Formats: sequence, structure tokens, C-alpha cells
Amino acid sequence: AQSVAQPEDQVNVAEGNPLTVKCTYSVSGNPYLFWYVQYPNRGLQFLLKYITGDNLVKGSYGFEAEFNKSQTSFHLKKPSALVSDSALYFCAVRDRSGAGSYQLTFGKGTKLSVIP
Amino acid sequence: DTGVSQNPRHKITKRGQNVTFRCDPISEHNRLYWYRQTLGQGPEFLTYFQNEAQLEKSRLLSDRFSAERPKGSFSTLEIQRTEQGDSAMYLCASSLGTGGSGANVLTFGAGSRLTVL
Repeated sequence: AQSVAQPEDQVNVAEGNPLTVKCTYSVSGNPYLFWYVQYPNRGLQFLLKYITGDNLVKGSYGFEAEFNKSQTSFHLKKPSALVSDSALYFCAVRDRSGAGSYQLTFGKGTKLSVIP
Repeated sequence: DTGVSQNPRHKITKRGQNVTFRCDPISEHNRLYWYRQTLGQGPEFLTYFQNEAQLEKSRLLSDRFSAERPKGSFSTLEIQRTEQGDSAMYLCASSLGTGGSGANVLTFGAGSRLTVL
């Protein structure tokens, strides 16, 4: 079985400060990992993904995430937060050895609030 | 390409009624997924199609739920004899089913919100 934990329901950060949204995962094999963002009344939007290769993944809007296999983590980061980054962020995992399953498992989400 | 389109955006129904949601995926995407999202939770997988074939179904998809993708293009999700616990946002997503850079990335629609009274 695969699972994702986002330990923080909400993260508050001042505009211009660095931000981190935490994610840990559990899969039996190797993971595909994703971050999506959800704005009110809009669908989830893809931010970035880790499939293989470099552990530091760069994505849209200046976001990046670091894959850490030993800690089974995939934290989302941004060097300087913007008020427009305020949204709901979801981490998701899929087991690469999932025997033909294309099911993505999402975390519960973390609400990011960037304070002006 | 206008993205993934879902209709209706909102549906209010009485318990026991049937409802149907439609999803139009991105035209070149051969994979289509349905997810359900309740307040304070992440999306939960319901079912997945590759072209017209329904290849995977979650335990969440009870026998009151049925999904189709008859010509490998649009899909419908029908809920029969709705219950209050079915109230949720129903999300559709599509993706390419190749080994290219777009593989595994789901593009989501805005969702169809169901309220069962």
C-alpha cells in the first residue's frame, strides 16, 4: 500500500521569507512523487514531479522540492514567498512498481498563507 | 486545447435521486481518472480508464457508482440512489499514456460539486 503524510494542516510565512511545506511518503518500491496546488474554485494544478535522477527538482512558479530516500521525504520549498502563493498544496505518490496501477495517493493537503 | 472540462459544476439533489457527471479530457490524452475530494481531505482515487477500457476501480466505488468512457473520449460518472455521504467534489483528470515527458502528470478539471440533501 502507498500513503502520504503532510504533517502540517497550515503553514504561515511572511512575504519574502523562505517557505517549506513538508511531505513524507510510504511505498513498497520506488516512488513517483508529485506536488499539486489548488486555488479556490479551481482544479488542482501540477507544480513539479520526481521520477528519477537529481534529487532536487525544480518546478513552476519558482518552487522546488528535494527527494530524500533515506527519510522518505519530498518537501516543497521556495526561497522567497509571494502573497499569491497562498493556496492549498497537495503531495502525491505512486509506487513505480505498482503492477500496472496508475492510482495516485494524495496527502490531506497543507494550507499555505503568505502574510504581506 | 481548453483543458479538462467537467459538467455540471454544481449539482444539488435529494437523497435517493440519480446524478450523472460528464468529463471531457484533453483531446490527445488516452488516460482518464475520476477522484473524489471531501472537505479537508486530499483527492481519493475512484477509477481509471485507458482509452475506453476501465482498468482499475477503487473499493470506494460501490455498486451505486458506475463510470463509462464509451468511445475513449469523454467519460460519465453516474451515482444511483444518492446518499448524503456522497456529497463531495468529483474530480476528473487526464494524462498521456506514453513514456514521454508528459507521462504520469495528471491534468485536473475544476470538478463537479455534489450536494445531497
